[in-house]
Amino acid sequence: ETGVTQTPRHLVMGMTNKKSLKCEQHLGHNAMYWYKQSAKKPLELMFVYNFKEQTENNSVPSRFSPECPNSSHLFLHLHTLQPEDSALYLCASSQDQDQSSYNEQFFGPGTRLTVL
Amino acid sequence: GQNIDQPTEMTATEGAIVQINCTYQTSGFNGLFWYQQHAGEAPTFLSYNVLDGLEEKGRFSSFLSRSKGYSYLLLKELQMKDSASYLCAVMDSNYQLIWGAGTKLIIKP
Repeated sequence: ETGVTQTPRHLVMGMTNKKSLKCEQHLGHNAMYWYKQSAKKPLELMFVYNFKEQTENNSVPSRFSPECPNSSHLFLHLHTLQPEDSALYLCASSQDQDQSSYNEQFFGPGTRLTVL
Repeated sequence: GQNIDQPTEMTATEGAIVQINCTYQTSGFNGLFWYQQHAGEAPTFLSYNVLDGLEEKGRFSSFLSRSKGYSYLLLKELQMKDSASYLCAVMDSNYQLIWGAGTKLIIKP
């Protein structure tokens, strides 16, 4: 257990569906991250929130929409996805962003998403 | 562009030693991380290097040479549970983590 939970663990959806991924951290951290992990590819940073404010959006398509209502919760809303969006979506948290060069990230177990 | 290179897959024998290399080219450097990821699980932190040299933590050690843009993770006395992917990541000048694709380590009896 890393202190970061994600639900659901597995999700299968059609291209016309709308679904949401949820992440919750119990570590008292102020920064939260969404990553996409595809087979044999590096982790791709999607979004970063620091103290509930979005600080990074790495050219992610608008069919992915993040939401951070508070420092403990992070959502990723999905709509009209494409089959190439099938991947493992990982959430992570850290104490904060930018404050020091040592900023270990704690990861959740991920949501395995399949888009049909 | 920024780039992290590490071998795709390695195989080693239980009880042996294995070294996983990582080379990087990034805009700035604020430290290098190694993470372990078992199949279907979250990546978990193994080590952090920001200064040149060797950091030892039990059976695992991590080495850094900033001038060469090079690091390695050394695993000793390999156990079957060490079968996992090992991810190298560098924090750049914007404090963003740049990740390698990971090295899948297979341990054989």
